[in-house]
Amino acid sequence: AQTVTQSQPEMSVQEAETVTLSCTYDTSESDYYLFWYKQPPSRQMILVIRQEAYKQQNATENRFSVNFQKAAKSFSLKISDSQLGDAAMYFCAYRTPRWGAQKLVFGQGTRLTINP
Amino acid sequence: KAGVTQTPRYLIKTRGQQVTLSCSPISGHRSVSWYQQTPGQGLQFLFEYFSETQRNKGNFPGRFSGRQFSNSRSEMNVSTLELGDSALYLCASSPDRDSYNEQFFGPGTRLTVL
Repeated sequence: AQTVTQSQPEMSVQEAETVTLSCTYDTSESDYYLFWYKQPPSRQMILVIRQEAYKQQNATENRFSVNFQKAAKSFSLKISDSQLGDAAMYFCAYRTPRWGAQKLVFGQGTRLTINP
Repeated sequence: KAGVTQTPRYLIKTRGQQVTLSCSPISGHRSVSWYQQTPGQGLQFLFEYFSETQRNKGNFPGRFSGRQFSNSRSEMNVSTLELGDSALYLCASSPDRDSYNEQFFGPGTRLTVL
């Protein structure tokens, strides 16, 4: 079974600085998808960024980028120019290949605090 | 387009009772998944429905069940509630079963079992 591990329960960063959230996963599959979701205090889960395992190029979405290391099974999220609105729980998630099981396997989450 | 809606938003029940939670996916979305979120266990997959059929089920007891209607709306039912069922139940929808698709989450239903 696939597992996702986020080793940092809490992180904090100064506004405008850069922070990196760590995620490792375990799988025997070669093709899969990885996601970072954000859950603000309002509780609505929002997709931040996603990565296809067969793509070597790291995904980027504005201030958010990932460092995907397939061999190491590592998928970290970098947030540049942190803003107060970035404060939230961040979940790393794994998903099996296309047209397979639709379930997301989540990590335990990292609570990110932005200090003004 | 309206987002995923879940009703009710909050629910208080007592042990032994049963509860039904409702989820309306984004218009046009046919896949609906349910997750349970607790402080101890985190986010765990409950089940997924597509075209009125349960496609996948997580590792939960038979007290947890669900269904999907022809309009893609979904309900989940928990019978004989236990204290440990207290959780935030999240529903997510996506257009189809392509794993690359984003799952859009609803605001959740907060269930408290006394």
